[in-house]
Amino acid sequence: AQSVTQLGSHVSVSEGALVLLRCNYSSSVPPYLFWYVQYPNQGLQLLLKYTTGATLVKGINGFEAEFKKSETSFHLTKPSAHMSDAAEYFCAVSGVRGGGADGLTFGKGTHLIIQP
Amino acid sequence: KAGVTQTPRYLIKTRGQQVTLSCSPISGHRSVSWYQQTPGQGLQFLFEYFSETQRNKGNFPGRFSGRQFSNSRSEMNVSTLELGDSALYLCASSLVVGSDTEAFFGQGTRLTVV
Repeated sequence: AQSVTQLGSHVSVSEGALVLLRCNYSSSVPPYLFWYVQYPNQGLQLLLKYTTGATLVKGINGFEAEFKKSETSFHLTKPSAHMSDAAEYFCAVSGVRGGGADGLTFGKGTHLIIQP
Repeated sequence: KAGVTQTPRYLIKTRGQQVTLSCSPISGHRSVSWYQQTPGQGLQFLFEYFSETQRNKGNFPGRFSGRQFSNSRSEMNVSTLELGDSALYLCASSLVVGSDTEAFFGQGTRLTVV
């Protein structure tokens, strides 16, 4: 079985400060890892994904994440927060039955609040 | 290129009724999956269809069913609605099936059961 734990249901940072959203996963097979963002009343948009290769992954809107196998982590970061980053962020893992659309396991989500 | 389209966006139903939700994937995408999102349980996988065949199914009761048509459009049906079925139902499409394939999500259908 696979699972995802996102530490902190709410994270608040000041505009311009570093954003760090934590994600730890559990998977019995080599994982594929994803970060999605959800704005109010919207679906999910893919920020970035790790499949194989380079462990530091760059995504859209200045976000990046580093896959650390030894720590089973895939934390999301952004050097400087912008007001438009306020949203719900979801970490997800696939790999058992095939991922992409078919069988992603999501974390509970982290609500990112940006203080002016 | 049009995204994933889900209809209707909002729906109110009474306990015991049944409901059908529709999802049109991105043109050319053949894989469609459904997820239920609630405040308590978060995002949970319902099922996935590829080329009109159900490939995977999550841990939901048989009241939840779906199908996919030859044009890849998909419908999800919930029978004998319960209050706990109130949720945002999200549909996602992928070009192909694969662990690293990007899933594109629709805006969802918000179902309220009263």
